[in-house]
Amino acid sequence: VQLAESGGGLVEPGRSLRLSCATSGFTFGDYTLTWFRQTPGKGLEWVSSISSKDKGGTKEYAASVKGRFTISRDDSENMSYLQMNFLKTEDTAMYYCTRTDGDYFGDYWGQGTLVTVSS
Amino acid sequence: DIQMTQSPLFLPASVGDRVTITCRASQDIRNDLGWFQQKPGKAPKRLIYAASSLQSGVPSRFSGSGSGTKFTLTISTLQPEDFATYYCLQHNTYPWTFGHGTKVEIK
Repeated sequence: VQLAESGGGLVEPGRSLRLSCATSGFTFGDYTLTWFRQTPGKGLEWVSSISSKDKGGTKEYAASVKGRFTISRDDSENMSYLQMNFLKTEDTAMYYCTRTDGDYFGDYWGQGTLVTVSS
Repeated sequence: DIQMTQSPLFLPASVGDRVTITCRASQDIRNDLGWFQQKPGKAPKRLIYAASSLQSGVPSRFSGSGSGTKFTLTISTLQPEDFATYYCLQHNTYPWTFGHGTKVEIK
């Protein structure tokens, strides 16, 4: 099982960025995919989750990103995406993706991708 | 939102010590809790899932217990590689929430 995030970088406030999570080694379509983030020197925060199509493809968002971030998945490519719009300085963080279903909850994480929002 | 109160925030300890970290949930989360270890510059690593099940490959000196609102992570005999920050995470109800972390540091 492997997950790998990409797409991070330096961006000005108000701009957009799309993060990608490439996965392999498991049946991607069977799992909920989740994005977490960790601000520099701070703790961990749940950002967004998207369930499998069998579970309705339900999307959930943290209040701090709702209306600005959009999670998606491409089961044919084993990929998840996090479209981040109207970025704020407080969105600066390392972003991680992981699968989150039952006994497999958070068992494998990517290495993270760093998003820096600054003018 | 469910608040996860983790204690202590800092835990000075020595190799060989028995270490216990506690997380209390502000409401019943059954056993929908995991424990994670994180070292600087690294992604979190799952140690315990479903409150008390040991992740494959994790040493048996790690154990988890509890259900409902009180949970503990115990390291029976602290090893040098265990100095790290530990987090609990509840996934019973959105928004999923973490404890603030416990940094186990060398005494």
